[in-house]
Amino acid sequence: ILNVEQSPQSLHVQEGDSTNFTCSFPSSNFYALHWYRWETAKSPEALFVMTLNGDEKKKGRISATLNTKEGYSYLYIKGSQPEDSATYLCAFFTGRRALTFGSGTRLQVQP
Amino acid sequence: ETGVTQSPTHLIKTRGQQVTLRCSSQSGHNTVSWYQQALGQGPQFIFQYYREEENGRGNFPPRFSGLQFPNYSSELNVNALELDDSALYLCASSLDQAGSYEQYFGPGTRLTVT
Repeated sequence: ILNVEQSPQSLHVQEGDSTNFTCSFPSSNFYALHWYRWETAKSPEALFVMTLNGDEKKKGRISATLNTKEGYSYLYIKGSQPEDSATYLCAFFTGRRALTFGSGTRLQVQP
Repeated sequence: ETGVTQSPTHLIKTRGQQVTLRCSSQSGHNTVSWYQQALGQGPQFIFQYYREEENGRGNFPPRFSGLQFPNYSSELNVNALELDDSALYLCASSLDQAGSYEQYFGPGTRLTVT
């Protein structure tokens, strides 16, 4: 059974704060690590698909790093805005069809 | 938005009944996966269909079944509903080809079993 852990479970920050979350996953049989952003009542939106150890990806104020040898990925949000409020999910892909998801980090950004 | 649609949005059923949920894939995608998200958990893989054949299954009983049609739309059927089947059901479409890992999700169907 694959175990994907995310921390923290939830986070409340003030507008302008920078924040980061952690995703831990098995370091064996690694194929890809996905990050999704999921707003209430909407579809999960793909942020990043990371495949290489040491990968760093950036989209606007959001960036992510990947360490496949030790089995973790960090997601960073710089200067959080209220519209960043969402649940952030990571998912581990072994190349065998299914994504294995963590339980997510719920971010609330107060104006 | 991803272009993946699901219907209905919400559904209430009684224990023991059967339910069919529908998913329309993003144009050009030949693979659809279904996930169940129970409260407080991440989505869990139910099964995947590729070119109308089941292509992988998670830890769900046989009363969870599916279909994929020639236009790549899909159905999830659940028989003999149990209270624990109450969850958000997500479908995700993708293109099964080398180097392509992204899955595009629909907004989900919220099923409540009473």
